[in-house]
Amino acid sequence: AQRVTQPEKLLSVFKGAPVELKCNYSYSGSPELFWYVQYSRQRLQLLLRHISRESIKGFTADLNKGETSFHLKKPFAQEEDSAMYYCALSGPQARNKFYFGSGTKLNVKP
Amino acid sequence: DAGVTQSPTHLIKTRGQQVTLRCSPKSGHDTVSWYQQALGQGPQFIFQYYEEEERQRGNFPDRFSGHQFPNYSSELNVNALLLGDSALYLCASSLGMGARETQYFGPGTRLLVL
Repeated sequence: AQRVTQPEKLLSVFKGAPVELKCNYSYSGSPELFWYVQYSRQRLQLLLRHISRESIKGFTADLNKGETSFHLKKPFAQEEDSAMYYCALSGPQARNKFYFGSGTKLNVKP
Repeated sequence: DAGVTQSPTHLIKTRGQQVTLRCSPKSGHDTVSWYQQALGQGPQFIFQYYEEEERQRGNFPDRFSGHQFPNYSSELNVNALLLGDSALYLCASSLGMGARETQYFGPGTRLLVL
C-alpha cells in the first residue's frame, strides 16, 4: 500500500541554521514525489518535485530509493520559510492518486 | 486568473443533512480532485474528475459523490452527514490526470457538522 510518513509534527530552528524535513514513503515501483508548502493564510502550493531536480527558494530534495526517503533540505533557514510542509506521493502503482503525509510545521526563529 | 475558487468558505450543518461544495478550476485546467483535510492531518484524496467522469477514488464511502460540468467546474456532495465529516475540503485542479501534473489548490471549504 502507498503511504507517506512525516515523523516530525514540529521542527524549530534558528535563522541561518540548516533544515531537514523528513519524508519516508511506501510504494512499489518508481514514485512521483512532491513537496507542498502552505504559508500562513495562504493556500497549499507546490514547492518542488523530484522529477525536476530543481532548487526552489534554496530548498532541495533527493529521492533515496534504498531508504525510501525524500527529505527536504535547506542549508540556511530564513524566517520566511516558516510554514507547513507536506510530502506527497503519486504514480502509476497508486493509479495516479495523490497521497499526502500529515505535515511538518517549520518554525524559524530570529 | 483568480486560480482555483471554492464556495462556500464556511458551512455549518447538522448530522444527517446533505451538503454540496463547489469548485471552479484554474483557467485552462480540465481535471479536478477533491481532498478532505481533518485537523492536524494532511489532505486525503477523495476522488478525481476528468471529462465529466469520476476517474479515481480514494477510500471514502458512497455517501461522498461528485460531479463535473462541461465547463470543468465540479461539485462534491456528501449525504447523511456524520460528525466525523467535519473537516476542510480542498479542491485542486490540474491539466490532465497524470501523476506528474502540478495540482493547484483552492482555499478550501471548512465544514462543521454538529
